[in-house]
Amino acid sequence: EDQVTQSPEALRLQEGESSSLNCSYTVSGLRGLFWYRQDPGKGPEFLFTLYSAGEEKEKERLKATLTKKESFLHITAPKPEDSATYLCAVNSGGYQKVTFGTGTKLQVIP
Amino acid sequence: DADVTQTPRNRITKTGKRIMLECSQTKGHDRMYWYRQDPGLGLRLIYYSFDVKDINKGEISDGYSVSRQAQAKFSLSLESAIPNQTALYFCATSDPREGGETQYFGPGTRLLVL
Repeated sequence: EDQVTQSPEALRLQEGESSSLNCSYTVSGLRGLFWYRQDPGKGPEFLFTLYSAGEEKEKERLKATLTKKESFLHITAPKPEDSATYLCAVNSGGYQKVTFGTGTKLQVIP
Repeated sequence: DADVTQTPRNRITKTGKRIMLECSQTKGHDRMYWYRQDPGLGLRLIYYSFDVKDINKGEISDGYSVSRQAQAKFSLSLESAIPNQTALYFCATSDPREGGETQYFGPGTRLLVL
């Protein structure tokens, strides 16, 4: 059974204080690993898809990386508007089921 | 306009009532999904549909049913609502031709069952 574990559950940063969120996974065969941003009461907003170990993708202050066992979402010089819950998910193919982690709640303090 | 829309956005109902949540999409995707989200449990799959004629149960389908009226429309029904069905409900779509098959989510429906 596919598993996704995200850590930490919550993270509080000062504005400008860079950090990383972790997503550890076990799958039978990775078809894609996804990062989403979710604001309270809203739907997950797609950020990145990573396909293979060594791949990296960037968007503004966010950078996602992938190894064979985990993915990191690096946040550089965060701003208060980056405050949200960040979800990680994996697609292992087969019948196309996507497994989600429970998320990391990020709070950036001005 | 949003690619994936859900109605209603908020709903309060009473135990035993039948309710329907609706999802529409303009992304042209064949595959659609219904999830529920509860604090600390993450997103859990209720039903999924790969095309109009193909509907499948997810991990938590008991107490729910779905209807795929067209490629663009996928409805979720609670036949007899109960309080533990209080949750955030999300519809999502995907395209198997897209690498990794990213899912795109609607804004959600907040359901409260009294």
